[in-house]
Amino acid sequence: GAGVSQTPSNKVTEKGKYVELRCDPISGHTALYWYRQSLGQGPEFLIYFQGTGAADDSGLPNDRFFAVRPEGSVSTLKIQRTERGDSAVYLCASSLPSAIQGKAVANTGELFFGEGSRLTVL
Amino acid sequence: SQQGEEDPQALSIQEGENATMNCSYKTSINNLQWYRQNSGRGLVHLILIRSNEREKHSGRLRVTLDTSKKSSSLLITASRAADTASYFCAAHYYNQGGKLIFGQGTELSVKP
Repeated sequence: GAGVSQTPSNKVTEKGKYVELRCDPISGHTALYWYRQSLGQGPEFLIYFQGTGAADDSGLPNDRFFAVRPEGSVSTLKIQRTERGDSAVYLCASSLPSAIQGKAVANTGELFFGEGSRLTVL
Repeated sequence: SQQGEEDPQALSIQEGENATMNCSYKTSINNLQWYRQNSGRGLVHLILIRSNEREKHSGRLRVTLDTSKKSSSLLITASRAADTASYFCAAHYYNQGGKLIFGQGTELSVKP
């Protein structure tokens, strides 16, 4: 597809359950980002990948949150033992790499966002 | 937290008027970006201004950057009802790798 694709668009689950949210970035985009957005707030950084590795996971709120990108394309955000406070829209974005001295680094330019996955924990 | 601040939080204007939104950030940046978000949708990139630039234009958008005050502003001229959306600034900080840190946003309402 032409854009960033996120599934599911809506997920309702019960407290304590496990949830997986999927992101399919734009083809050729090596950097992939996860953000979380609560109502009326700006996107809150969670984690970003450069290729298959997590370049910065400092925004993950606790060890119930985990993300993978095993083949450097699709990424899955995994939330264990969900809590009501996890309810939010989870946004994924991808971007092109920048090259510095021949070594690809995370892009400093435009992010392309998906439509988000709205998670509701009852 | 390095999250910046935006003001106003909400702005309501009439079609044809100009809208100005302001953003402040914390420390040295590589660039600052502005995004738009329609209700219930993803964010769309509008414009990027680098730390060595002071002003940039794109259609009806004008962005300024004042690194001495660590602030930026987004001006939308001759606003239209279709400009109604939330607008966010996002800072790429100098020592923070590739991540963007977003502000809290300004909710713009343009009345026909």
